[in-house]
Amino acid sequence: TQLLEQSPQFLSIQEGENLTVYCNSSSVFSSLQWYRQEPGEGPVLLVTVVTGGEVKKLKRLTFQFGDARKDSSLHITAAQPGDTGLYLCAGAYAGKSTFGDGTTLTVKP
Amino acid sequence: GAVVSQHPSRVICKSGTSVKIECRSLDFQATTMFWYRQFPKQSLMLMATSNEGSKATYEQGVEKDKFLINHASLTLSTLTVTSAHPEDSSFYICSARDPTSGSLYEQFFGPGTRLTVL
Repeated sequence: TQLLEQSPQFLSIQEGENLTVYCNSSSVFSSLQWYRQEPGEGPVLLVTVVTGGEVKKLKRLTFQFGDARKDSSLHITAAQPGDTGLYLCAGAYAGKSTFGDGTTLTVKP
Repeated sequence: GAVVSQHPSRVICKSGTSVKIECRSLDFQATTMFWYRQFPKQSLMLMATSNEGSKATYEQGVEKDKFLINHASLTLSTLTVTSAHPEDSSFYICSARDPTSGSLYEQFFGPGTRLTVL
């Protein structure tokens, strides 16, 4: 079983603050996806990272894939209430995707 | 692109009845679809992988006779919860892979179905 650990599990911050969410594993993944899920809805794909050391930016969100392709981070700059949601990472290995436990982010206005 | 729909969005049923949930890929053909279950404030739990034209592959601990999956076409997969009981109440989400997307492992999710069994 390929395990993905996300930290922190819960995060509550004020609007305008920065934050980083981590996704760690002992396994090497061929690619890794980040999703955001709002309450009562399905997850929405944010990004896919493939190459070790890769950095991708999506407006105020910065995604990084570790050099060894075992871990990833998501950094949000100047968080807004609209960023509130459950953030999930998913690692791809041997034809299957494994989801992390998720990070529940609450951004207070 | 890559839109997935689910129907119904909410369903309330009596214990002992069966409920069918539909998952459709609207603008692409999905050879592989996935069914997940999600409990409040928790991550997704994969129930089964559904491949068009073949039997679904169920995860360990998921009763195949309880959760019937049919993937009869490249755009439709159905999950039937048979003889539902209150413990089956949950949020069920489907996803699909778009073979034309940038990554083989990207999944596009439906909006989910909230099942409540009384």
